[in-house]
Amino acid sequence: QVQLQESGPGLVKPSETLSLTCTVSDYSISSGYYWGWIRQPPGKGLEWLGSIYHSGSTYDNPSHKSRVTISVDTSKNQFSLTLSSVTAADTAVYYCATYNNYGYYFEYWGQGTLVTVSS
Amino acid sequence: QSVLTQPPSVSGAPGQRVTISCTGSSSNIGAGYDVHWYQQLPGTAPKLLIYGNINRPSGVPDRFSGSKSGTSASLAITGLQAEDEADYYCQSSDSMSGSVFGGGTKLTVL
Repeated sequence: QVQLQESGPGLVKPSETLSLTCTVSDYSISSGYYWGWIRQPPGKGLEWLGSIYHSGSTYDNPSHKSRVTISVDTSKNQFSLTLSSVTAADTAVYYCATYNNYGYYFEYWGQGTLVTVSS
Repeated sequence: QSVLTQPPSVSGAPGQRVTISCTGSSSNIGAGYDVHWYQQLPGTAPKLLIYGNINRPSGVPDRFSGSKSGTSASLAITGLQAEDEADYYCQSSDSMSGSVFGGGTKLTVL
């Protein structure tokens, strides 16, 4: 079974850039899934941010397209999220997940990491 | 607000049957995209519960079932148990927005 683990700073200042990495274990990132980022503000629902294939092809949420960058490093079996110009509204638990691109669903999830935007 | 609409909360007594609705539009569920459901227990990551409208991943009890019709979908839980108390989310694809989620439904077991 695919294992995913998010990592990155838990606190980011307003107007700065949020950067997170998802490390994939027990599965090669080049083997077939798309890889996605989803976030959940405290007490609120889930929001998809974007997905990437191992080739680097991305699939973005139009609502955040100008601020979100997703990249993949197949040599490290990792993929990453950067979100620029953050505000308090970007405070959330950020999850990485596998995206089954045949069925269009998120099959395996990381445990999530809380990122707080505050000065 | 969310592209997919779910009731904020539902409740039921142990052993009962509850359903959670997920209403979309002609750009998502009504366009033929599949609906998927996730269970999020308190303090944990979401877990895939139903995929492709009706399919259960290995390990998910058959007390959980999904259906889809027109621009809506439903999740049914029979034989309600205390451990089913969680938040439930539907998800689909949208021709304009990509992957979209419902706002979530909190299930309370009375």
